[in-house]
Amino acid sequence: DAKTTQPPSMDCAEGRAANLPCNHSTISGNEYVYWYRQIHSQGPQYIIHGLKNNETNEMASLIITEDRKSSTLILPHATLRDTAVYYCIVIVRRGGNTPLVFGKGTRLSVIA
Amino acid sequence: AAGVIQSPRHLIKEKRETATLKCYPIPRHDTVYWYQQGPGQDPQFLISFYEKMQSDKGSIPDRFSAQQFSDYHSELNMSSLELGDSALYFCASSLGQNNSPLHFGNGTRLTVT
Repeated sequence: DAKTTQPPSMDCAEGRAANLPCNHSTISGNEYVYWYRQIHSQGPQYIIHGLKNNETNEMASLIITEDRKSSTLILPHATLRDTAVYYCIVIVRRGGNTPLVFGKGTRLSVIA
Repeated sequence: AAGVIQSPRHLIKEKRETATLKCYPIPRHDTVYWYQQGPGQDPQFLISFYEKMQSDKGSIPDRFSAQQFSDYHSELNMSSLELGDSALYFCASSLGQNNSPLHFGNGTRLTVT
């Protein structure tokens, strides 16, 4: 599975958009980009995933570059409750039940 | 919506004792995963089951074993507990279909004294 690189920490003002980058320059054609977050000591929470097209849901938007070597998770209006560690995970889902491998994520602090 | 249920939420054991953690997946989910998260660490994959068969194996110690039952719930059995086993243990479930996301429970906090 492709290795990902994320900044260790970021700050964002409450109400502003939070843009979390992820580099995955060795991604292969059949690998998906998943984003999860973990609020302190809670179970990781699924946010969004995509292959090559941009995706949007009620939580966030995922922008994947055309060459697929990087992506950005966008939280459009960050709130204090979005303070968490955000994980970008790139993986091939073989038959749909491949486990996720968590690396070092980005600790996002939303500031009032 | 129903979520992944883990029990117990907290467990305190002494060294060399055994512990059993339980996981009840989201209804109709057929795949269960176990993760261990030590203090200040990222979640580490232990083992997974699909349709009651072991699917993938990660960094699970030989002292640990797990199984998935006919009702799809899963149990993680931990023997000869060590201080280093103190951690949060998360269970996740998914549908065994392409790219179905994993959904995690809120974990069991195991403390070994």
